[in-house]
Amino acid sequence: EAGVAQSPRYKIIEKRQSVAFWCNPISGHATLYWYQQILGQGPKLLIQFQNNGVVDDSQLPKDRFSAERLKGVDSTLKIQPAKLEDSAVYLCASSSRGGSETQYFGPGTRLLVL
Amino acid sequence: AQRVTQPEKLLSVFKGAPVELKCNYSYSGSPELFWYVQYSRQRLQLLLRHISRESIKGFTADLNKGETSFHLKKPFAQEEDSAMYYCALGDDKIIFGKGTRLHILP
Repeated sequence: EAGVAQSPRYKIIEKRQSVAFWCNPISGHATLYWYQQILGQGPKLLIQFQNNGVVDDSQLPKDRFSAERLKGVDSTLKIQPAKLEDSAVYLCASSSRGGSETQYFGPGTRLLVL
Repeated sequence: AQRVTQPEKLLSVFKGAPVELKCNYSYSGSPELFWYVQYSRQRLQLLLRHISRESIKGFTADLNKGETSFHLKKPFAQEEDSAMYYCALGDDKIIFGKGTRLHILP
């Protein structure tokens, strides 16, 4: 079974620039998550999709972050404009049904904002 | 409010010694609790969940509702256990603790 794919693996940008991350979940998984993991902390949920609908985006900074999962499969997370404090690893995960089902994580995208 | 606390950022243990990674939680209701692990250069992955009541790689964790704890234990540490360990609380979403880095000394 292929795992969760993410790209790019690394990204360096200057503050106020925009950036986009892509995620391809495990085939058949209805639920997709984006997490932000700042150095020294655990993953923090940004947004959760069930198929192509948003289940939870309560911790997504909506003034600068956006995410979509148009066809219920792949997803993109965008930051525009980026701030220094956005430097983190962005993790994508998927699960078959959501809730407290086992989540399968991608390798993450390491973002550095200068 | 739901919260997961891992009091130790780093735990160093000699090979062959017992390991205990501490986790305390705050939750009103019956929680689902998990331990996730991230080995060097690998993805974050599920280690075990309390409802399974199973031992994975020699690790066990018992839910203690009285003490609101879910400590991860292993009787004899191995060098390959060195990793980052995250305790997590599951409800309609999963909340992660800050993690404990376990370093097994030779």
